[in-house]
Amino acid sequence: TQLLEQSPQFLSIQEGENLTVYCNSSSVFSSLQWYRQEPGEGPVLLVTVVTGGEVKKLKRLTFQFGDARKDSSLHITAAQPGDTGLYLCAAFTSGTYKYIFGTGTRLKVLA
Amino acid sequence: DAGVTQSPTHLIKTRGQQVTLRCSPKSGHDTVSWYQQALGQGPQFIFQYYEEEERQRGNFPDRFSGHQFPNYSSELNVNALLLGDSALYLCASTQWGDSSNQPQHFGDGTRLSIL
Repeated sequence: TQLLEQSPQFLSIQEGENLTVYCNSSSVFSSLQWYRQEPGEGPVLLVTVVTGGEVKKLKRLTFQFGDARKDSSLHITAAQPGDTGLYLCAAFTSGTYKYIFGTGTRLKVLA
Repeated sequence: DAGVTQSPTHLIKTRGQQVTLRCSPKSGHDTVSWYQQALGQGPQFIFQYYEEEERQRGNFPDRFSGHQFPNYSSELNVNALLLGDSALYLCASTQWGDSSNQPQHFGDGTRLSIL
């Protein structure tokens, strides 16, 4: 069974702090996506990483795909209350079209 | 350009009843997937439909069934509802093909509560 484990599960920080969320697996993925989900809404795609070692930046968010394409991280610089939400990593399992999600990281940024 | 739309947004049922949820994919998409998301957890894959056939299925019992119509819209049916079926049900659409690099576009879900 291919699993995506995220850590930490919960995170509560003050506005202006930095944080990193991790997404780990024992499986290799051809690509990996990160989503943010707010209450009452569906997940919204933030980024897709494809190449091992790839780094992508989206304003204050930096995404990295591990060299072996088994893990990924999301770093937020100077977090703001608007960053509050559930962060999910996701990927297609190898050889199938089953799309699996990580266990999720619930972030709360306090003003 | 309409995104993925789901109906209804909220639904309350009792144990043993049956429910049907509906999804219209994003324009240009032909593949629909359904997910169950329990409170505070990541979505769990139920199944995927393409060309009106179930192509992939997750670890869900036969009480969960679906259908895709010629216009690519889809339904999720759940029979003999249990309390544990209470969740947010998400629909996602994409284009069939090299899906390994295709992100999925999600609707806002149907919140199903079982009493």
